[in-house]
Formats: sequence, C-alpha cells, structure tokens
Amino acid sequence: KAGVTQTPRYLIKTRGQQVTLSCSPISGHRSVSWYQQTPGQGLQFLFEYFSETQRNKGNFPGRFSGRQFSNSRSEMNVSTLELGDSALYLCASSLPGSENIQYFGAGTRLSVL
Amino acid sequence: DQQVKQNSPSLSVQEGRISILNCDYTNSMFDYFLWYKKYPAEGPTFLISISSIKDKNEDGRFTVFLNKSAKHLSLHIVPSQPGDSAVYFCAGQNSGGSNYKLTFGKGTLLTVNP
Repeated sequence: KAGVTQTPRYLIKTRGQQVTLSCSPISGHRSVSWYQQTPGQGLQFLFEYFSETQRNKGNFPGRFSGRQFSNSRSEMNVSTLELGDSALYLCASSLPGSENIQYFGAGTRLSVL
Repeated sequence: DQQVKQNSPSLSVQEGRISILNCDYTNSMFDYFLWYKKYPAEGPTFLISISSIKDKNEDGRFTVFLNKSAKHLSLHIVPSQPGDSAVYFCAGQNSGGSNYKLTFGKGTLLTVNP
C-alpha cells in the first residue's frame, strides 16, 4: 500500500511569490492534515480537511490556505511568501474511525529567498 | 505556551540497553498521546500511542507509560538497536469534537551506539 505522497520534495521561491504544495493520502484515508516544521517552532498544525471541508485550523495567517478534492487529495497554498515561511511542510492522513493516528509523508522543503 | 515538552534534546545509549525518552504536558484536555520517530529527510513515522484511560501500552520493543496525575509520559525501548537512532517526538491530542490536531514536543535525538 502506497504511503502519503507529497510533491514536490523541494522548492525554491522568492519573497512575494505564491506556492502550491500537493498531498496524496494513503488509499482509503479521508482526513488530511498539514503541519509546518521549523527549527525554532518545531512541528505546528496548520489545518485539517475532511470530506472536502476544512474541519480544524491552527494559528497561521490567512496567507496559508488549503483545499481538498473529492478523491481526498489535498493542496496547500501560501501567498505573498515571506522569508520566515521557509520550512518543511508535512502532510498527514488518517483512516475514518482511527483518526487519532496520523501517517505522514516525507514533506516538501520550501526555501524562500 | 509550550503544551508538550521534551526536556532532553538528546540521549545516548549503548546497544542492547534500555532507552527512556520522557515527555511532559500541560494541557489536561489531552486524551490521546502518540510517539513518532523521524529520520533526516523523511517524515515522522508513527511508533506507538496510548489513550488517557490507560497507563501502559506495549508493542514489541516499545512501551509507553502514562502518568496522568503527573502529566508525564515516557517511551521505553528495550533492547535498543543502532537503527533506533533518530529524533523522537511525542504528541498530545484533544480529540473531542472531531479535532485530531497533534501538538508536538520539540523532539529528542536518540543515538544508540554499537
């Protein structure tokens, strides 16, 4: 069974640009969560999607947004990039009825110059 | 406010001995706890979890202990193997109301020496 797939693995952008990251969950998983990992703040929750609806949201500015498609694939968008957005962005999926346990992808490493 | 704390940034253990990783939390609403292992350039890998109604959960070489009164949990790895060398994260969850957000500690780097 394939794991959580995130694309691209690495990305370099400049300040002010926008970026879209993609996540394909494990087959059968319907909940997708996004996390940001930085050396200073550690792993922080961005948002969670279930059945194409944002179910939960973390404390990030509105420049961070996401969506989920009918096949449970999810995208995350960051607009007007800032230097501090440089981070590893991780996507996790979970199975209906076992949503406590989240399975992570390898992440997308975003560098903002 | 750091709701989950892993006070030891690193831990070094000899192969075959026990590794004990500790985690403290402040949010009394957490009802589920998880441990993840992370290798460089990979995402976190789920290891073991425990519900707040239990005080121990065991899976092979891994055992998690929960002390609710002390708001403390620990992960025991016995026996430790060099392949266990990684960063270990503990996470708490308040899953009421279908909120499965994970709140992570900053991690502990475990090094198992051959």
